[in-house]
Amino acid sequence: NAGVTQTPKFQVLKTGQSMTLQCAQDMNHNSMYWYRQDPGMGLRLIYYSASEGTTDKGEVPNGYNVSRLNKREFSLRLESAAPSQTSVYFCAIRIGSTDTQYFGPGTRLTVL
Amino acid sequence: TQLLEQSPQFLSIQEGENLTVYCNSSSVFSSLQWYRQEPGEGPVLLVTVVTGGEVKKLKRLTFQFGDARKDSSLHITAAQPGDTGLYLCAPKTGGSARQLTFGSGTQLTVLP
Repeated sequence: NAGVTQTPKFQVLKTGQSMTLQCAQDMNHNSMYWYRQDPGMGLRLIYYSASEGTTDKGEVPNGYNVSRLNKREFSLRLESAAPSQTSVYFCAIRIGSTDTQYFGPGTRLTVL
Repeated sequence: TQLLEQSPQFLSIQEGENLTVYCNSSSVFSSLQWYRQEPGEGPVLLVTVVTGGEVKKLKRLTFQFGDARKDSSLHITAAQPGDTGLYLCAPKTGGSARQLTFGSGTQLTVLP
């Protein structure tokens, strides 16, 4: 039981390159989230998905797109990476009525 | 937009000392969670507080939700090096996916 997995763990991009961050869960929960974490700024919500096939913008959606094709997977795409997108990206799921969020291990992205 | 402040931002103490960290806002929250994040990992839930004035204990950690449900504190007794990490408060902010808003955190270092 892996919980929430994220790939890749590390990535270096050049400005303008594109890439997709993958997130998968084996816990059968509906709500999934993408956050970015920068020093001194806590976790900021990029996009979330309340259920399969639905997505909504969070606090900082500009420069990102997401896809929730099935219940297990929620991907985050950077179409044209910028240095300001250098960050650690976390995927999370919401568990039960307590609203606990269970996080993946993160993807550390550097954009040069 | 609510303002969520955590203090102090950084705290370095010796093993065995006591400490308190704070999470403050001008908004009233229906509930609030505390998470701890260790280096290289995602945040992990410590506790959820729901009722104004509520106090919860988790071994050497004591969590309190303010009477007016606008603030919370975390007190650690006899800190140990294993308590080192980033402590994040996260009040529930509602929405269709029951989003959380995370504070910027308190980075605690406990020196042996």
